[in-house]
Amino acid sequence: NAGVTQTPKFRILKIGQSMTLQCAQDMNHNYMYWYRQDPGMGLKLIYYSVGAGITDKGEVPNGYNVSRSTTEDFPLRLELAAPSQTSVYFCASSYRPTGSEPQHFGDGTRLSIL
Amino acid sequence: AQSVAQPEDQVNVAEGNPLTVKCTYSVSGNPYLFWYVQYPNRGLQFLLKYITGDNLVKGSYGFEAEFNKSQTSFHLKKPSALVSDSALYFCAVRDDQGGKLIFGQGTELSVKP
Repeated sequence: NAGVTQTPKFRILKIGQSMTLQCAQDMNHNYMYWYRQDPGMGLKLIYYSVGAGITDKGEVPNGYNVSRSTTEDFPLRLELAAPSQTSVYFCASSYRPTGSEPQHFGDGTRLSIL
Repeated sequence: AQSVAQPEDQVNVAEGNPLTVKCTYSVSGNPYLFWYVQYPNRGLQFLLKYITGDNLVKGSYGFEAEFNKSQTSFHLKKPSALVSDSALYFCAVRDDQGGKLIFGQGTELSVKP
């Protein structure tokens, strides 16, 4: 089972460049999430989506954009890369957003901005 | 507001000894609590969860967690640690009012032979 698939696994960007981090899930989950993980800081929610065409901001949305045109895909876009966006980015999905439903994570994209 | 704390950045255990990774939480209603494990260069994997009911929850790979309402804690335990248990462990909490999942900062578990 593929689960949540993220591409690319690693990327180095120059300051000011843009890129899209891809995320796809094959579990027919309506709810999808983007987190960033920084050392000693846990995971911070960037954006989330409750279904195709519906997205909302999380805790740290500045500098990022998302779209959700299909149930399966939830890409994250960085328009003007900054050194502060160096991080590991995780995409997750869940059947429901509440209660005891766990989230399922991809293996992450490790992004360095130089 | 919801919050979760993992008071130890690192826990060191000898193989075969019992291990405990600590987690305390704060929510306004009833908590839903989770433990995840992260191996190097991998995503978070779900280990176990607490809803309501038994205070001792059993999960994957021989792990269990003890829920203590009066101490607002949800400590992860294993009776006999393995070297392969070495990883980063995250506690997470969600309230019963539809709140977001909040993660602790993580605890690095190191099990030495």
